Amino acid sequence: ETGVTQSPTHLIKTRGQQVTLRCSSQSGHNTVSWYQQALGQGPQFIFQYYREEENGRGNFPPRFSGLQFPNYSSELNVNALELDDSALYLCASSTGQGALETQYFGPGTRLLVL
Amino acid sequence: ELKVEQNPLFLSMQEGKNYTIYCNYSTTSDRLYWYRQDPGKSLESLFVLLSNGAVKQEGRLMASLDTKARLSTLHITAAVHDLSATYFCAVDGESQGNLIFGKGTKLSVKP
Repeated sequence: ETGVTQSPTHLIKTRGQQVTLRCSSQSGHNTVSWYQQALGQGPQFIFQYYREEENGRGNFPPRFSGLQFPNYSSELNVNALELDDSALYLCASSTGQGALETQYFGPGTRLLVL
Repeated sequence: ELKVEQNPLFLSMQEGKNYTIYCNYSTTSDRLYWYRQDPGKSLESLFVLLSNGAVKQEGRLMASLDTKARLSTLHITAAVHDLSATYFCAVDGESQGNLIFGKGTKLSVKP
């Protein structure tokens, strides 16, 4: 069984640029959630995708957007990067809608915005 | 605003000692999750507590849930160095798939 994978592992961008982060869900999982974890903080929910539709969203501006593909992999896109976007971005997959099932987290993508 | 508060935020303990991490939350959630995070790594699911009075144990860790008090505890028995990590508790938020995490408790177990 393949776990949750994310790419790239590390990324450096400058203010104003755009970035795309990728996540492959665990085999058999159809739901992907994205979280932002700032240094020394707990993860904060960005949004969730279930069967290719956004299913829930946290308190993040519209410049954070996403996609889910038919194979349930997902992308997180962030436009007009700001310094405060520097963080570890985690995706988590699960088997059902919402958080009814345990979410399994990927290794994360560490983004640094200069 | 939904809040999850953990204490202590930092914990340094000697091997062989016992200690408890506390997690208070402000929602009416019946479910509570504990995760472990090693430095530079992702989150590993430890426990999912599904109802009031739930108790789960794995090795030297035992988690319990009191939904009436909105309190969960993670008890560490006879700590060993391998338990050094940051421990997060989380509850279901209002949106689908939204987990609300505490700030984490950074545990350091010293010989």
